[in-house]
Amino acid sequence: AQSVTQPDIHITVSEGASLELRCNYSYGATPYLFWYVQSPGQGLQLLLKYFSGDTLVQGIKGFEAEFKRSQSSFNLRKPSVHWSDAAEYFCAVVRYGQNFVFGPGTRLSVLP
Amino acid sequence: GAVVSQHPSRVICKSGTSVKIECRSLDFQATTMFWYRQFPKQSLMLMATSNEGSKATYEQGVEKDKFLINHASLTLSTLTVTSAHPEDSSFYICSAGTGKVYEQYFGPGTRLTVT
Repeated sequence: AQSVTQPDIHITVSEGASLELRCNYSYGATPYLFWYVQSPGQGLQLLLKYFSGDTLVQGIKGFEAEFKRSQSSFNLRKPSVHWSDAAEYFCAVVRYGQNFVFGPGTRLSVLP
Repeated sequence: GAVVSQHPSRVICKSGTSVKIECRSLDFQATTMFWYRQFPKQSLMLMATSNEGSKATYEQGVEKDKFLINHASLTLSTLTVTSAHPEDSSFYICSAGTGKVYEQYFGPGTRLTVT
């Protein structure tokens, strides 16, 4: 079955430390890939997206993600985490003719 | 651009009553609107897809008679939860699509609590 996995349910990092959130998908062809962030009780905010081309994409708030076709991965990174980055992060994919499929989410906690 | 609003942001209703949630695309025309449901600490699950002027397409397991969706115009879709029960309490998020498969813009969500 086509799916999106985020292996880490919860990650805790110290403020100022680097961050990597993992995302893998199981589709035959490369889908469109997205990362969203959700603060408690809020809707989704798009961080970045990948359609084609350069496999390293830059997003808002200092986030970037790298698409690796060989690993079917689209991991999200940030070199220095801020306390305000504490939130839930969702990876999502969509293929032509189909709807968005969201991963289970990774909750990020930031220690002062 | 590409702003989607939802109203209300929070609603509390009594069991057995119906509640309507509105989703509006403020600065673009949405050929398709999507309704998602999110339980606490879980991901978003697609409930239904609606195109303007036609009946909604519901995902497997979603009761179409309980979750009524109307997409009356290119900027407005409504979700009505009929005869609500406490188990319907959830966070409901809509999104609006422009017709391009990869373009969906999400609303801020509506927290429904059924007492």
